[in-house]
Amino acid sequence: ETGVTQSPTHLIKTRGQQVTLRCSSQSGHNTVSWYQQALGQGPQFIFQYYREEENGRGNFPPRFSGLQFPNYSSELNVNALELDDSALYLCASSLPDMGGYTFGSGTRLTVV
Amino acid sequence: DAKTTQPNSMESNEEEPVHLPCNHSTISGTDYIHWYRQLPSQGPEYVIHGLTSNVNNRMASLAIAEDRKSSTLILHRATLRDAAVYYCILSPPVGYSTLTFGKGTMLLVSP
Repeated sequence: ETGVTQSPTHLIKTRGQQVTLRCSSQSGHNTVSWYQQALGQGPQFIFQYYREEENGRGNFPPRFSGLQFPNYSSELNVNALELDDSALYLCASSLPDMGGYTFGSGTRLTVV
Repeated sequence: DAKTTQPNSMESNEEEPVHLPCNHSTISGTDYIHWYRQLPSQGPEYVIHGLTSNVNNRMASLAIAEDRKSSTLILHRATLRDAAVYYCILSPPVGYSTLTFGKGTMLLVSP
């Protein structure tokens, strides 16, 4: 098992720009979720993909979008960045009925 | 989503047992009780989960009240590496729903 890998680990962007964050799921995991974690808070669910289809979405605007690829890797895209988008973005993968989700270490995004 | 209530923080000494409580009085019959922990500068890590019966694994034990309105995560011998934020989460089985994190309990472990 290689675990969940996220890239990049840190990123600085300017307000109004667009960003793409990447996640490589644990081998064989067909479900991937993305979370946003602001400083001092618990992670907040953004959306989930199962076999390349979005099957759940949290309370985030449409400028947050995603993709899951046939190899189950995933992307999170954020358009028109705002200062409040500064956070740790976490990717988690799983198989249905597994014990739990496996999280990556996250991408720290800073919007200036 | 059913809500959980946890203490903001707890302290323990190294090599002592730790009992982390979680109240979930509005739990539904299909909700599993999940525990995750998050070490500094890392993503959350799955610890344990259960439905009705007590559960044990290599990391911890989960004791679930008979009425399922509360549960306790038990670390049998705390180490400095167990210092983390512990989250108690109610959710259907993995893959069919998502995790709703609260603020969790920050566990401090002293040598």
